[in-house]
Amino acid sequence: DAGVTQSPTHLIKTRGQHVTLRCSPISGHKSVSWYQQVLGQGPQFIFQYYEKEERGRGNFPDRFSARQFPNYSSELNVNALLLGDSALYLCASSLAASSSIRGEQYFGPGTRLTVT
Amino acid sequence: AQKVTQAQTEISVVEKEDVTLDCVYETRDTTYYLFWYKQPPSGELVFLIRRNSFDEQNEISGRYSWNFQKSTSSFNFTITASQVVDSAVYFCALSEAYYGQNFVFGPGTRLSVLP
Repeated sequence: DAGVTQSPTHLIKTRGQHVTLRCSPISGHKSVSWYQQVLGQGPQFIFQYYEKEERGRGNFPDRFSARQFPNYSSELNVNALLLGDSALYLCASSLAASSSIRGEQYFGPGTRLTVT
Repeated sequence: AQKVTQAQTEISVVEKEDVTLDCVYETRDTTYYLFWYKQPPSGELVFLIRRNSFDEQNEISGRYSWNFQKSTSSFNFTITASQVVDSAVYFCALSEAYYGQNFVFGPGTRLSVLP
């Protein structure tokens, strides 16, 4: 079975631009979460969606938004890019909405975003 | 607030040595879940283990073992007879159980296994 897929792999944008990152979860998984991983640090939670509804939001500005589609794929949008948005953006999928039941998350390879 | 500390930033060992990666967590929840992930140079996080707060039994999987001690809020990871392929960054993560999956990750420990 295919794992979590993300596109694009790499992206270079200029400050002030907008970016859309895409994620397809493992087949059968209804939960998708997004994380930002700055070089040398652990991933930071951005959003979780389950059954197309937002289940959680991390401490990120309103420039960050996301949505989940009927096929459970997801998009992460970032507006007005700043240099500090340069990071690896990871998508994770899970069978369950919470960690209590089969709650392990499976991560995709990430999208490396560079803002110049 | 939830917090995960991995005090060891980098560890280097020679192949076949045993190595223990430390993880200390903070949470006010009585029910929570702990995880370990491996991030090889390719960048993709690989799931290793999930443990709930009610199960303090140690677990062994091949060369990997985990020691969960609620009394000290620690969830340490030991690799026995390390191999070069174990070289990676290892992350410990904490998640509350009841609603979402907001994983709180530690800063990671970079393990280098030298031949």
